[in-house]
Amino acid sequence: TQLLEQSPQFLSIQEGENLTVYCNSSSVFSSLQWYRQEPGEGPVLLVTVVTGGEVKKLKRLTFQFGDARKDSSLHITAAQPGDTGLYLCAGARGNKLVFGAGTILRVKS
Amino acid sequence: DAGVIQSPRHEVTEMGQEVTLRCKPISGHNSLFWYRQTMMRGLELLIYFNNNVPIDDSGMPEDRFSAKMPNASFSTLKIQPSEPRDSAVYFCASSLGAANTGELFFGEGSRLTVL
Repeated sequence: TQLLEQSPQFLSIQEGENLTVYCNSSSVFSSLQWYRQEPGEGPVLLVTVVTGGEVKKLKRLTFQFGDARKDSSLHITAAQPGDTGLYLCAGARGNKLVFGAGTILRVKS
Repeated sequence: DAGVIQSPRHEVTEMGQEVTLRCKPISGHNSLFWYRQTMMRGLELLIYFNNNVPIDDSGMPEDRFSAKMPNASFSTLKIQPSEPRDSAVYFCASSLGAANTGELFFGEGSRLTVL
């Protein structure tokens, strides 16, 4: 059982569409990070959210941390083929960073 | 600036052989992490070093796995003897602070296939 559940597991959409992926847990995290991983490479940090209810924007990407610090969402507006990749959320628990299983996003042109 | 450097990028070996994976963290980073990634289990933390000292090795699967960090610029993950179920991509990552405070910088990974 994953400590962090991500949904959907896989998403295939057309260029220009909007999408939201979710990261949920029954546990509280002191902070939560979102990473993006491309084939053959390691994950790269997109954002860190720390405060319950926090919203951060990174160009077309909007990240939200739940009020209770147990869940988070990533919304992409007008998706582009370059957004294709594996999106991972990771929560800080004690001295560890625990990763969800990820959402595979494919954006078709 | 160089990122985290891992070697080898790919390794194919036979069951029972010893495998050694290597990692050079980013200079100045004091935390180093070994993760394993598979389709079934995602990214799993194996072991975490801080200032070259192993802090948490609870994720190391069993005694066949061992990790060392003899100095601030080098770490190894060894599997002896290897088994087919060890096949995965092994990532090394480093950070300036503890895992729960800062950004993790990942290497490109070592893809291990055990036949």
